Amino acid sequence: EAGVAQSPRYKIIEKRQSVAFWCNPISGHATLYWYQQILGQGPKLLIQFQNNGVVDDSQLPKDRFSAERLKGVDSTLKIQPAKLEDSAVYLCASSFTRAHTGELFFGEGSRLTVL
Amino acid sequence: QKEVEQNSGPLSVPEGAIASLNCTYSDRGSQSFFWYRQYSGKSPELIMSIYSNGDKEDGRFTAQLNKASQYVSLLIRDSQPSDSATYLCAVRRRYGSNRLAFGKGNQVVVIP
Repeated sequence: EAGVAQSPRYKIIEKRQSVAFWCNPISGHATLYWYQQILGQGPKLLIQFQNNGVVDDSQLPKDRFSAERLKGVDSTLKIQPAKLEDSAVYLCASSFTRAHTGELFFGEGSRLTVL
Repeated sequence: QKEVEQNSGPLSVPEGAIASLNCTYSDRGSQSFFWYRQYSGKSPELIMSIYSNGDKEDGRFTAQLNKASQYVSLLIRDSQPSDSATYLCAVRRRYGSNRLAFGKGNQVVVIP
């Protein structure tokens, strides 16, 4: 079974530039998550989709971050304009269901460096 | 108050010893509790889940849950160098989005 795919793995940009990350979840997984993990911290949920609907985006900085999951499968996370504090690993995860027993499967992450 | 707190600093244990990790959470209605392991430069992977008070054992790992004290712990018995990693406590809220919130993690270093 293929895992969660993410691209690009690494991205370096200057502040005020834009960047986009792509995620393809495990086939059949209805729930997709984007987490931000800053060095030395635990993952922080940015947005959670159930199929193509947003379930939780309460911690997404909506003035600069946006995400979509148009056909209920793959997803894109965009940052525009980037700030220095956005330097982090962006982790995409998926699960079969958002029920309380669901295990999250993470992709390898996209490491962003903002200069 | 943070949703999930892991306050211990890096933990160094000799090979074969027991490593003990602790975690507290703020949402009393939380129902599901997890421990994820994250190797340096890698993504988190689930190693334990626990849903009811008491102990749950899986191989060398034991998770302990005390909902009254809002406390979760992880014991690693017979620690091996391959256990050297950061261990993330995660708690899933009961209502709303069932958001899975993570603590900052505890680094464990097993010394051969």
